[in-house]
Amino acid sequence: NAGVTQTPKFQVLKTGQSMTLQCAQDMNHEYMSWYRQDPGMGLRLIHYSVGAGITDQGEVPNGYNVSRSTTEDFPLRLLSAAPSQTSVYFCASRLDRASGYTFGSGTRLTVV
Amino acid sequence: RKEVEQDPGPFNVPEGATVAFNCTYSNSASQSFFWYRQDCRKEPKLLMSVYSSGNEDGRFTAQLNRASQYISLLIRDSKLSDSATYLCVVRTGANNLFFGTGTRLTVIP
Repeated sequence: NAGVTQTPKFQVLKTGQSMTLQCAQDMNHEYMSWYRQDPGMGLRLIHYSVGAGITDQGEVPNGYNVSRSTTEDFPLRLLSAAPSQTSVYFCASRLDRASGYTFGSGTRLTVV
Repeated sequence: RKEVEQDPGPFNVPEGATVAFNCTYSNSASQSFFWYRQDCRKEPKLLMSVYSSGNEDGRFTAQLNRASQYISLLIRDSKLSDSATYLCVVRTGANNLFFGTGTRLTVIP
């Protein structure tokens, strides 16, 4: 099992550009989430999904979209990148609501 | 008030020492509790879940005190490889997992 796979690992964007961060898991987990991690602020939830076709907003959803067309994939779209979106992004999945998360290796995004 | 609060440290301890971290949470309805470790520039990795009766995994012991709303992590016989940031995580509701900002541990030779 590969676990949770995120691509790309690094990305530099110009303000106003859009892009998609990819996330895939092969553990048949129903729950998937996107977090961003900023210094001194811990991980903050952007969007989450409790199954294919179901998504919802987390704590900091503005400027991001998600979709969940399959159990395996949960891409995160930045609509119009802003410097405030410079961060490390982690995708995570878990089997059920009582389980802990397995995280992907992260995407380091810089918006200039 | 933050959902989860941790002392950021750093904790600098010699090899072989015992060290303990505490974490407090604000929502008394919180249902699941975890400790994660995160190495520099890496993803968080699940260290252990925390159960009401307390639980142990080798040199690591986790405790939950619902009355005072805190969880703790005890590391015995610290190893150099234990150096990392330890994240406290609390689940409230179906999908509301709240992460603390982490406690940084450095084990010194």
